[in-house]
Amino acid sequence: QITLKESGPTLVKPTQTLTLTCTFSGFSLSTSGVGVGWIRQPPGKALECLALISWNDDKRFSPSLKSRLTITKDTSKNQVVLTMTSMDPMDTATYYCARFDTLPTTSYFDYWGQGTLVTVSS
Amino acid sequence: DIQMTQSPSSLSASVADRVTITCRASQNINTYLNWYQCKPGNAPKLLIYGASNLHIGVPSRFGGSGSGTDFTLTISSLQPEDFATYYCQQTYNTLWTFGQGTKVEIK
Repeated sequence: QITLKESGPTLVKPTQTLTLTCTFSGFSLSTSGVGVGWIRQPPGKALECLALISWNDDKRFSPSLKSRLTITKDTSKNQVVLTMTSMDPMDTATYYCARFDTLPTTSYFDYWGQGTLVTVSS
Repeated sequence: DIQMTQSPSSLSASVADRVTITCRASQNINTYLNWYQCKPGNAPKLLIYGASNLHIGVPSRFGGSGSGTDFTLTISSLQPEDFATYYCQQTYNTLWTFGQGTKVEIK
């Protein structure tokens, strides 16, 4: 059974750095083709893909947020950590982590965490 | 960036209706297209991957088609549990992008 769970602060102040941890089970991040991504959804708005990290440590970032994001993995702990600097009230959103799998013809997020609401406010 | 445009942005339908949602990519993405269902308070669920492949456990009333730039999600007979927001997603280029969503509401 594959599960993912996000953890981190629910409230951060503007200009602070957000650190979120995704702890997962039921799969290994050393398996070829597998990775973990971070996606967010501001209240009432669409999903936005923030960052991806693959089994081979390949990392990808949203072009508009790249300068603010860091993503790392700890394969032995089954964790992926996302940091986002210079938080702003516009970053208020539910943050999800999700596993992705890669096929020759597509990649997709097949398992998602329940999400964690992060509010940015002073 | 590849832009994904869904239409309509919302629709009203009745149980048992056939529902069609379209998604257009700003450039050719072959079949690197997935569909997700989102309900408030729940994690998004993968419905369709690779434009037309049903994810495990997804009811057969859901179907996907298309390739290149134009894609369709069809619900053949809408059920009460299908009232939700649906998102398309491209995974063709460096960072994956979602459409703006289509909210399916009860008529």
